[in-house]
Amino acid sequence: DGGITQSPKYLFRKEGQNVTLSCEQNLNHDAMYWYRQDPGQGLRLIYYSQIVNDFQKGDIAEGYSVSREKKESFPLTVTSAQKNPTAFYLCASSAPGLLNTGELFFGEGSRLTVL
Amino acid sequence: QQQVKQSPQSLIVQKGGISIINCAYENTAFDYFPWYQQFPGKGPALLIAIRPDVSEKKEGRFTISFNKSAKQFSLHIMDSQPGDSATYFCAASIGYGNKLVFGAGTILRVKS
Repeated sequence: DGGITQSPKYLFRKEGQNVTLSCEQNLNHDAMYWYRQDPGQGLRLIYYSQIVNDFQKGDIAEGYSVSREKKESFPLTVTSAQKNPTAFYLCASSAPGLLNTGELFFGEGSRLTVL
Repeated sequence: QQQVKQSPQSLIVQKGGISIINCAYENTAFDYFPWYQQFPGKGPALLIAIRPDVSEKKEGRFTISFNKSAKQFSLHIMDSQPGDSATYFCAASIGYGNKLVFGAGTILRVKS
């Protein structure tokens, strides 16, 4: 089945450690996104990438880093510089060009807890 | 800076009732307004969307009402069912393929 796969689903990390969240898609979508979800704050954009080897900061990029070496993959690293990393992280993608209807396709999310 | 304000934060509705969630936006350049539905532990999924050239769009029990002059749009769920219990997000963007700005979300619980 086509879709977006995020892993791991749950992750625990000690303070001061970096952690990388995986996002893989087989929808042949050009654009990919990372959102952070906190209770009562909706979804906030961390980073997005429109094409391979290119990405832009979203609204809350500080303390995060990404790479886009392959069309299918858009991993997110939560660094030790992120002051409040405990959250639910969502990866999404959208269809390219004329096929884009505006719809974002989301993965099932990764819940990160910093101990 | 919250560009899309959503209310209420939570909502409890009896089975068969009407659920109404409201959103207001500030940026008049927004021209795409989707609603997403999210079940616990899952990612959001597109429910219904509207462009500002129409004032209402209906898909089954779900209706978006859009008021361009007031810069407001709302989701109505008719004949609400327990299976509709989820978190609902409104959003807005300038055209397709551009950054979506999400509201804070509404947790809906439909009591049977």
